[in-house]
Amino acid sequence: GEDVEQSLFLSVREGDSSVINCTYTDSSSTYLYWYKQEPGAGLQLLTYIFSNMDMKQDQRLTVLLNKKDKHLSLRIADTQTGDSAIYFCAELGTGKLIFGQGTTLQVKP
Amino acid sequence: DTAVSQTPKYLVTQMGNDKSIKCEQNLGHDTMYWYKQDSKKFLKIMFSYNNKELIINETVPNRFSPKSPDKAHLNLHINSLELGDSAVYFCASSPFSSGELFFGEGSRLTVL
Repeated sequence: GEDVEQSLFLSVREGDSSVINCTYTDSSSTYLYWYKQEPGAGLQLLTYIFSNMDMKQDQRLTVLLNKKDKHLSLRIADTQTGDSAIYFCAELGTGKLIFGQGTTLQVKP
Repeated sequence: DTAVSQTPKYLVTQMGNDKSIKCEQNLGHDTMYWYKQDSKKFLKIMFSYNNKELIINETVPNRFSPKSPDKAHLNLHINSLELGDSAVYFCASSPFSSGELFFGEGSRLTVL
């Protein structure tokens, strides 16, 4: 079945890079996504990557995809306190988006 | 201009009651969803509608009944509320079969 796994917590210092990792099971997923949820708010789409790409860069965000290992990562360069949130990895399964458990990113000043 | 709006934002009620949450989107999307987020932040799809037609119905108790009067609205009615129904319910919309979802702010339901 479809399953997406993430580590639950990451703490970094302001200015450092953050790397959030995710593994998924459905090798037929065409797109993989990263969403961000700030406290008390809904999820917002941050970025996505097509399954035939290895890397996608968008300003401070870099997404790496290792399709062989079914591993996806999100790197945030120069992490700021405003980046503190929960980050969800998701794969597009059979007509629906399957989310990981979410990684809480804590940014310390 | 709120893209996906849901009401109410907070709902506190007693076990056994019936309650509804409403959702509206002004993005012109074909597909709307209800997701449930539990206390551990785990997000699970409940229902998906495309142009008023039910296309995904996960293993949700039949006390939960979605209704889509038109493609811009998707409401969720819950009968005989139980303690385990306490959660944040998110409405979302997307172009058909896309993973680019736009979420509402969530409706926090607390069942006492």
